[in-house]
Amino acid sequence: QVQLVESGGGVVQPGGSLRLSCAASGFTFTSYGMHWIRQAPGKGLEWVAFIRYDDTTKYYADSVKGRFIISRDNSKNTLFLQMNSLRAEDTAVYHCARDEKLGYFNYWGQGTLVTVSS
Amino acid sequence: DIQMTQSPSSLSASVGDRVTITCRASQTITSYLNWYQQTPGKAPKLLIYVASNLQSGVPLRFSGSGSGTDFTLTISSLQPEDFATYYCQQSYSTPWTFGQGTKVEIK
Repeated sequence: QVQLVESGGGVVQPGGSLRLSCAASGFTFTSYGMHWIRQAPGKGLEWVAFIRYDDTTKYYADSVKGRFIISRDNSKNTLFLQMNSLRAEDTAVYHCARDEKLGYFNYWGQGTLVTVSS
Repeated sequence: DIQMTQSPSSLSASVGDRVTITCRASQTITSYLNWYQQTPGKAPKLLIYVASNLQSGVPLRFSGSGSGTDFTLTISSLQPEDFATYYCQQSYSTPWTFGQGTKVEIK
């Protein structure tokens, strides 16, 4: 069965960096685009970034553009999110999700919590 | 960016009630509208994709309709496990955007 497992969250100071990982299994990772979607405590869902299956296209939300970098290692079935220049407003649970071609998200990871605080 | 507006933001209902949640897009998204259900501490669960297609395994009491800018999620007979927060999401264009959520609470 499809599994997505995030890791790498934690507490970081403002201005710091963190790298999230999402280990994928149960499907052909190289055939699917992947997303990062976040949810601040008590708030709604916010799409963060997308990477195409072949790494040729990446999109970012304006709120993270220039600070976050999405990447993937297809040999290891792993998705990454490098987060730099972190701000308090980046505090959230970060989920990875599989792209279903028509742009909806059928499979989600359980999420990893990132807390930006001094 | 396409803005998604849900109404109401919250509602109280009883088991067995028919519940309707609406979602409006700031511009046409044809049928590229998806619905999710989220319970506390869990990842969202896909209910409806491309406006009216029921995701496999989702109970038949859930249905979606609409096109263009106006969409509806209907729960025909609310069950105890349906008390949750519901989100719409457009997949017509990047950036993908979500509505602010509708919390369905027990009356």
